[in-house]
Amino acid sequence: NAGVTQTPKFQVLKTGQSMTLQCAQDMNHEYMSWYRQDPGMGLRLIHYSVGAGITDQGEVPNGYNVSRSTTEDFPLRLLSAAPSQTSVYFCASSRTITGDFEETQYFGPGTRLLVL
Amino acid sequence: AQSVSQHNHHVILSEAASLELGCNYSYGGTVNLFWYVQYPGQHLQLLLKYFSGDPLVKGIKGFEAEFIKSKFSFNLRKPSVQWSDTAEYFCAVKLAGAGSYQLTFGKGTKLSVIP
Repeated sequence: NAGVTQTPKFQVLKTGQSMTLQCAQDMNHEYMSWYRQDPGMGLRLIHYSVGAGITDQGEVPNGYNVSRSTTEDFPLRLLSAAPSQTSVYFCASSRTITGDFEETQYFGPGTRLLVL
Repeated sequence: AQSVSQHNHHVILSEAASLELGCNYSYGGTVNLFWYVQYPGQHLQLLLKYFSGDPLVKGIKGFEAEFIKSKFSFNLRKPSVQWSDTAEYFCAVKLAGAGSYQLTFGKGTKLSVIP
């Protein structure tokens, strides 16, 4: 298994441009999520999905859009990039939690985004 | 609101010194607790986790953590650190049970180990 993969690894955007960060997992995980990591802030949840066709907002959703058309893929779209969105973005996945059995989240390698 | 506090922003230790990183959380229910590590330039990796049972949890690379429910704490320990433990450490908490997915992370503690 490749685990959780993310593309691109690094991206530079100009203010106002849009782009999509890709995330894919081959573990048949139902739960997928996007975090952003900023210095001194830890990781903050942007959006998450508990299965194909189901998404919900996390702590910092503004300026981002997601969709989940397949179990494997969970792209994150920046609608109109702003310098405040300069960050490192991590995608994570886990199996759906059922009963008392809790699954660990596995993280991708990250996408470093710079918005000028 | 749910929150996770990591007391130390940056810890500097010499090799072979003992390590304890503090983590306190504010949650109104049963929780699951995690420590993740991020080595320079790499993604997060799970060190250890607590779901239920023995509150002393052993993880990879000689790390352990103790869940003290009365203190809302989940401190990470290692008796003797190595230079290769230089990394950033994140405590994370989520509500236990089905339908609860959101991990809340602390701001992280950078550990620098001096050879």
